[in-house]
Amino acid sequence: DTEVTQTPKHLVMGMTNKKSLKCEQHMGHRAMYWYKQKAKKPPELMFVYSYEKLSINESVPSRFSPECPNSSLLNLHLHALQPEDSALYLCASSQDAAFTDTQYFGPGTRLTVL
Amino acid sequence: RKEVEQDPGPFNVPEGATVAFNCTYSNSASQSFFWYRQDCRKEPKLLMSVYSSGNEDGRFTAQLNRASQYISLLIRDSKLSDSATYLCVVATGTASKLTFGTGTRLQVTL
Repeated sequence: DTEVTQTPKHLVMGMTNKKSLKCEQHMGHRAMYWYKQKAKKPPELMFVYSYEKLSINESVPSRFSPECPNSSLLNLHLHALQPEDSALYLCASSQDAAFTDTQYFGPGTRLTVL
Repeated sequence: RKEVEQDPGPFNVPEGATVAFNCTYSNSASQSFFWYRQDCRKEPKLLMSVYSSGNEDGRFTAQLNRASQYISLLIRDSKLSDSATYLCVVATGTASKLTFGTGTRLQVTL
């Protein structure tokens, strides 16, 4: 079963709110990712976790804070976001963090910042 | 120059047609190549990996030309359900770092 789940599906938040996005996979994958996708644009990598350790941070602003509590879960904590942060946030996982590994994407959380 | 370039389309083709998409990448050190499909407001889904020897999966054929830094996707006998955006994806350098092209939009019509 190649399934990555994400909650919530939709999120509307104000600029002063604190919220979290959640991602889960039960495929035994050891690499997990956060991507951001704006309308009519391709996904852009934000963070990579490999064996529960942050291995890549693509110079993402500190108002986005990732967390990997265990090998199946990945969170993205949001605080003091801006309207331009409104986007589809995609989680993905792969067997390992090797360039040959297929990444499987979750359905995404559509975030609107007011 | 963008790292991964694709013609954004849209490609409007009738059912049953054969359509080909091309993609070029700028980094000669790129190591792995994929085509993903993304339906409107949905997540990207792997269509196929692309190998130097070329590979085929049913109606879909992917080819890689490392010398020209060029990837292609051929879809034969197009179906209405093939309508989607096709993303060319390249893995370069640091493990697991994917770079997506902007995508090519395909619309198959009756």
